[in-house]
Amino acid sequence: GDSVTQMEGPVTLSEEAFLTINCTYTATGYPSLFWYVQYPGEGLQLLLKATKADDKGSNKGFEATYRKETTSFHLEKGSVQVSDSAVYFCALITGGGNKLTFGTGTQLKVEL
Amino acid sequence: EAGVAQSPRYKIIEKRQSVAFWCNPISGHATLYWYQQILGQGPKLLIQFQNNGVVDDSQLPKDRFSAERLKGVDSTLKIQPAKLEDSAVYLCASSSRGINGANVLTFGAGSRLTVL
Repeated sequence: GDSVTQMEGPVTLSEEAFLTINCTYTATGYPSLFWYVQYPGEGLQLLLKATKADDKGSNKGFEATYRKETTSFHLEKGSVQVSDSAVYFCALITGGGNKLTFGTGTQLKVEL
Repeated sequence: EAGVAQSPRYKIIEKRQSVAFWCNPISGHATLYWYQQILGQGPKLLIQFQNNGVVDDSQLPKDRFSAERLKGVDSTLKIQPAKLEDSAVYLCASSSRGINGANVLTFGAGSRLTVL
């Protein structure tokens, strides 16, 4: 079945550091890929998405590129802020389906 | 637009008691989902509705969990009787299909259940 694997957290960075959170997937067909973010005490929010190979999703300074050859969708940000502290979930939907499959989440802590 | 509304936000019950969670999706969203998020894990789909019909309930523990979506709008998720392992956040989401056919889910803030 479909699955998503994320790097384990927590990831602790200093403000303005470079961020990478790794995500790889296994899926039948050609999935759409997503990053969701969950701030403390809040629900999941869509951060960015990509629907086909080589697409780059971006939002709020975060980027992720859909790499079909490596089945990856790594999340990056050039300069993190304390306000980016949250749990980040990589997820996929296969083909025309409606079922979103999540990774286990990676907690990011950004310190001054 | 208004988001996905859920209530209650927090609930504490004893094991073997019952509990119900309510969800009001974004207006016009035909698809509604209930996810279970156990601490330290990613959300797991419990049930998916398309209008008022069930599309996928393969991971719903039907001996104790039930859900309905009358009139294709609001939905209720019930647990009876609750077990300790049901302690989790119950997330409701709704969706409309975006550009390029990508299905984007919008989540509510969740209902946190603690079973003692």
